[in-house]
Amino acid sequence: DGGITQSPKYLFRKEGQNVTLSCEQNLNHDAMYWYRQDPGQGLRLIYYSQIVNDFQKGDIAEGYSVSREKKESFPLTVTSAQKNPTAFYLCASSFTPTGSNQPQHFGDGTRLSIL
Amino acid sequence: SQQGEEDPQALSIQEGENATMNCSYKTSINNLQWYRQNSGRGLVHLILIRSNEREKHSGRLRVTLDTSKKSSSLLITASRAADTASYFCATDRMRDAGGTSYGKLTFGQGTILTVHP
Repeated sequence: DGGITQSPKYLFRKEGQNVTLSCEQNLNHDAMYWYRQDPGQGLRLIYYSQIVNDFQKGDIAEGYSVSREKKESFPLTVTSAQKNPTAFYLCASSFTPTGSNQPQHFGDGTRLSIL
Repeated sequence: SQQGEEDPQALSIQEGENATMNCSYKTSINNLQWYRQNSGRGLVHLILIRSNEREKHSGRLRVTLDTSKKSSSLLITASRAADTASYFCATDRMRDAGGTSYGKLTFGQGTILTVHP
């Protein structure tokens, strides 16, 4: 089955700790995205990558970092600099960067909480 | 800032009724997309409508787009309890007059739809 796998489903962070959220896709998509969703809110873009070894900041990149060393993988690190990390994190991918009229496909999210 | 503003924020209807959700946006777009999210899950793509299209259908879903008013609507006909979810519009904004995309979507705040059996 093709799709996007996010892990873990639930994650707890201690003060001062960096944590990494995993996102893997086997859809052969070029573009990948990370979003943050707070309760009752829409999605806000953290980082996105249109091609391997390249990524751009989204609207709320501060306190987060990413890498795109493989086409299939786009891990997100929530650093200790992110003071309010409690949220639902969603990873998505699309066949080509949006603008070629392609939809985004989403994983089932990781819920991050502070201990 | 959010490009899309959705209306209403919440909608409660009975099974069999139609549900209409609206989305307004501020800048020129290449396309507008509607997504559905069940509680605690990821988003699922429903329909994409291009800027040169006015209406699209998919099963019980009907989407309209009015670029002169910068607005779109999603109609779900003959709703079912299983349609209970949050619905989001997302825009692929145009960077310039040539239609270049920013390469990313901007999501609205969503409409929470509850369909009572």
